[in-house]
Amino acid sequence: QFVLTQSPSASASLGASVRLTCTLSSGHTRHAIAWHQKQPEKGPRFLMKVNSDGSHKKGDGIPDRFSGSSSGAERYLTISSLQSEDEADYYCQTWSTDISWVFGGGTKLTVL
Amino acid sequence: EGQLLESGGGLVQPGDSLRLSCAASGFTLKGYAMSWVRQAPGKGLEWVATISPTGRTYFADSVKGRLALSRDNSKNSMSVEMSGLRAEDTATYYCAKVLEKWLVHDAFDVWGQGTMVTVAS
Repeated sequence: QFVLTQSPSASASLGASVRLTCTLSSGHTRHAIAWHQKQPEKGPRFLMKVNSDGSHKKGDGIPDRFSGSSSGAERYLTISSLQSEDEADYYCQTWSTDISWVFGGGTKLTVL
Repeated sequence: EGQLLESGGGLVQPGDSLRLSCAASGFTLKGYAMSWVRQAPGKGLEWVATISPTGRTYFADSVKGRLALSRDNSKNSMSVEMSGLRAEDTATYYCAKVLEKWLVHDAFDVWGQGTMVTVAS
């Protein structure tokens, strides 16, 4: 069964940087993924699409503090200069004709 | 980028039916695949269903046979008719637009604010 694996939680200090990881299950390591931010009582927000070569396409209005990269089966979301409003759940998503659409379990980011 | 607005959620009893709608503004829905994603209380995001630009539909196993998707490009909207609702269908339902025009399998780049569906007796 296809799986996207995310750590359940992460934390970093205000003003610092944090890197969140999404791991694709074997056999699907060349899939592109998308990162979404989910804050309480709000709809998800598309951050970016990250390809297997590390190139990424951001959503409208997403600050430069947010960047994406890749290495093998891992896809990363790096948030620099952390702000209090970055505290949220972050989900990765992937898709294909054989798996339809799949979300990772999400990472809860705490800004200290 | 555009906006999506869901409506139609509410409290229903097990076995009931419910219709959710999603209205698009700021962009033309024609040419884009559209999806429904849900989040049960305290849980993560779960893909539910997608309708392609040409009307082909795709459903998660958990809802297959109980959902019907439709789209009305002239009204810039899409809908999902849910039947045989179960307690485990209780969730906030979000509609989402697929990133690239005429692609079906791609990232979701525009999301609505969600509508809550509660199934309880």
